[in-house]
Amino acid sequence: GENVEQHPSTLSVQEGDSAVIKCTYSDSASNYFPWYKQELGKGPQLIIDIRSNVGEKKDQRIAVTLNKTAKHFSLHITETQPEDSAVYFCAASQGGKLIFGQGTELSVKP
Amino acid sequence: GAVVSQHPSRVICKSGTSVKIECRSLDFQATTMFWYRQFPKQSLMLMATSNEGSKATYEQGVEKDKFLINHASLTLSTLTVTSAHPEDSSFYICSAQGAGKQFFGPGTRLTVL
Repeated sequence: GENVEQHPSTLSVQEGDSAVIKCTYSDSASNYFPWYKQELGKGPQLIIDIRSNVGEKKDQRIAVTLNKTAKHFSLHITETQPEDSAVYFCAASQGGKLIFGQGTELSVKP
Repeated sequence: GAVVSQHPSRVICKSGTSVKIECRSLDFQATTMFWYRQFPKQSLMLMATSNEGSKATYEQGVEKDKFLINHASLTLSTLTVTSAHPEDSSFYICSAQGAGKQFFGPGTRLTVL
């Protein structure tokens, strides 16, 4: 079955800096890769996603890149703000079921 | 759009009792809903896939007789934790599939004493 590895587990950046979180997946049949932001005590919130027919997608300060050959995808957050502090999860999917990475706790210091 | 609600948000129960958690898609219809469990500082673990009008599909290691799932309509799925024990204490989160994406509810914190 699919296995998703996510790095780093924790990431601390200064406000205004960029943050990058990386994930690798094992099943080449996976074709959908969402990213979720989870604040403490809340459910995950979909922030951006990408499908396998696209290499890059951007939405304001966040972007996701996908390398199907290497089977890895990354989340990029630019101009980080304290409210970006949360746990971020990547996931891979084919046919609906999501397999999640282990999560990255992002801390943005003012 | 794509709002998913859960009720209750937190529940405390005695060991041996049953607890029902509701998951509703408020502004879209969801043929498929998913139930996850999350322990502190850990990732989301899929428990089961809930399909409207049919039996749920459980992940390996999840007891279907303990975690009863009913997806009676296109906007409602319920998870009943039967004969709850302290080790069932966790954060239970549902998601609803719409337009090829999964939207999550706010979660239910279950504490079994």
